[in-house]
Order: sequence, then C-alpha cells, then structure tokens
Amino acid sequence: QVQLQESGPGLVKPSQTLSLTCTVSGGSISSGGYYWSWIRQHPGKGLEWIGYMYYSGRTYYNPSLKSRVSISVDTSKNQFSLKLSSVTAADTAVYYCGGYGGNSGAFDIWGQGTMVTVSS
Amino acid sequence: QTVVTQEPSFSVSPGGTVTLTCGLSSGSVSTSYYPSWYQQTPGQAPRTLIYSTNTRSSGVPDRFSGSFLGNKAALTITGAQADDESDYYCVLYMHSGVVFGGGTKLTVL
Repeated sequence: QVQLQESGPGLVKPSQTLSLTCTVSGGSISSGGYYWSWIRQHPGKGLEWIGYMYYSGRTYYNPSLKSRVSISVDTSKNQFSLKLSSVTAADTAVYYCGGYGGNSGAFDIWGQGTMVTVSS
Repeated sequence: QTVVTQEPSFSVSPGGTVTLTCGLSSGSVSTSYYPSWYQQTPGQAPRTLIYSTNTRSSGVPDRFSGSFLGNKAALTITGAQADDESDYYCVLYMHSGVVFGGGTKLTVL
C-alpha cells in the first residue's frame, strides 16, 4: 500500500521560498496512475488544491498560485517536492501531499500533513 | 475561476439521513467532473469516502453513498452516527486541475 510522508521546515521567513518534500513508500512514483499533488489548509479553513504533477513531468497548478508554485518529481529518490516562493503570512497552513488517481479521479492517498508557519 | 459550492453547515439527528450537495457556480455537475467526497475530522488528514460520483473507497461503510441531485453531486449519509460529525469536502475534476468545494460542517445532534 502506497504511503506518503511530508517533510520540510516548519517555519519560513516572509519573502523566502517554502520547500517541502513528500516521500513515497510502498510503490514507485514512476509507475504511473497518480498525479502527485499538494494541497493546503489554512488554519480553521477549507482545503485548497495547490497543484499536481504526473511523473512524466506534466504539471498543473492552481491559477491563484501559479506564479509562485513549482512542483517537481525526483524518481531516483521516490520523492516529489513543492516550492512556493515569496511567501507571506497568508501562506501559513497545513500542507498535505497526496496522490490523485488518474483512473479513480480522486485523491486516493494522503500524507498526514505538515504545519508551515510564515513568520519572521 | 470556477467555484465549487457546498452548504456551509448541516445538522442531522442520530439515525437520520442527510444529503450534502456539491455544485458549480455556473453550470451542472456531471460524471465528467468525477465528483469525489472526503471526510475530515479536526487535526486529521482527509479520508476519501466516494470517488467517480458513487464508488465507495475501501473500508467506507455503505451508509455513505454518492449520487446526483438535480444539477449537483450529492453525498447521502443514511443512519447517521455520532462519529459522522465532521467536515465534508467535495472535489471536482477540471481539465486544468481540480477544485475543492468550501466544505460542509456536519453536526450530529
């Protein structure tokens, strides 16, 4: 069973770049079938899709974040990553990595989430 | 940008039936949007309940069902239990990505 685990700094300074990594275990990131995704949740608010990437390299981003977001895949490490530039306090949130199934049309797999606070 | 609409809150009595909906700010939800539903309790990651409109994820009790109600996707909980008190989110697939609904806070009382 495929499992996901987020990792990265819990505190980022304003204007810097937020960088998170999601490690995939129990399966190969390049086996296909999933769009490797990032989702976030502001404190007390709803879920927001950030973007996803197919292992082949095709990426899709939320238009509201597109200018600041980059998602990449490292098949050698079985990981995928999120970079969000020029962060502000409004980017403080719990960040989840997930796998969106190409066949199911749903987020079949979720990481446990990691809290990132933007503060000086 | 397309907005996915959900009722902000709903309440149901224990043992009762409730239907939550997922609509579009413009247009109708159809199978081509692959509606999916998720349950989230505080401090936890979401749990996938329903995908492709009406297919239950592994381990999801059959009191949860998905369907269409008019021009919206719908999640029905039949025989609500206390531990169904959660936030429920729908997701719709668009060709440029996906969009989450704002979520429905379900109270069981």
